[in-house]
Amino acid sequence: DAKTTQPNSMESNEEEPVHLPCNHSTISGTDYIHWYRQLPSQGPEYVIHGLTSNVNNRMASLAIAEDRKSSTLILHRATLRDAAVYYCILRPPLSGNTPLVFGKGTRLSVIA
Amino acid sequence: GAVVSQHPSRVICKSGTSVKIECRSLDFQATTMFWYRQFPKQSLMLMATSNEGSKATYEQGVEKDKFLINHASLTLSTLTVTSAHPEDSSFYICSAPLPGGETQYFGPGTRLLVL
Repeated sequence: DAKTTQPNSMESNEEEPVHLPCNHSTISGTDYIHWYRQLPSQGPEYVIHGLTSNVNNRMASLAIAEDRKSSTLILHRATLRDAAVYYCILRPPLSGNTPLVFGKGTRLSVIA
Repeated sequence: GAVVSQHPSRVICKSGTSVKIECRSLDFQATTMFWYRQFPKQSLMLMATSNEGSKATYEQGVEKDKFLINHASLTLSTLTVTSAHPEDSSFYICSAPLPGGETQYFGPGTRLLVL
């Protein structure tokens, strides 16, 4: 999987929006951008993924730069339950049956 | 939605004993499952790929005779840590891809403490 770079940690106030950046300057033209998060003492969970267009779901939004060399995961209103490590992972198409390769991710702290 | 379960959630054992961890896919079949290990403050590291009906594929540095994997059915994979030692204490997590999908579902993890 192509390399991604994320800040080690970020902090947010509760009920404020959070923008989690991810740089992936070596992304290939067909790589999808996936985001997973891991809450404390739990297994990771899928958050969102996209290719070129911005994506929205009930958990978050994914904004993808026009050159696709970076992306931003947006939590519109952070809650205490959003405190987790967020992982940005690039995946080639049709790779559902291959394992995920986790980097260090960004540890998000949410302050009440 | 798709769910992956693990059992037990937590286990404490004595050094030298073996521990079996189960990973089940609920409501979907998984011909492939993945086993990860996570030490405190570190990221998940892939240990092996579990294949239904065939041998598991281990990552470099993971001893296949120590970490026995059996994928007995389309919904169950087991990881047995044999002759466990304190350095095997870790958080073990399995995952399974939804057939035809691009996402993976992770189990809640099993915390192993070897005394």
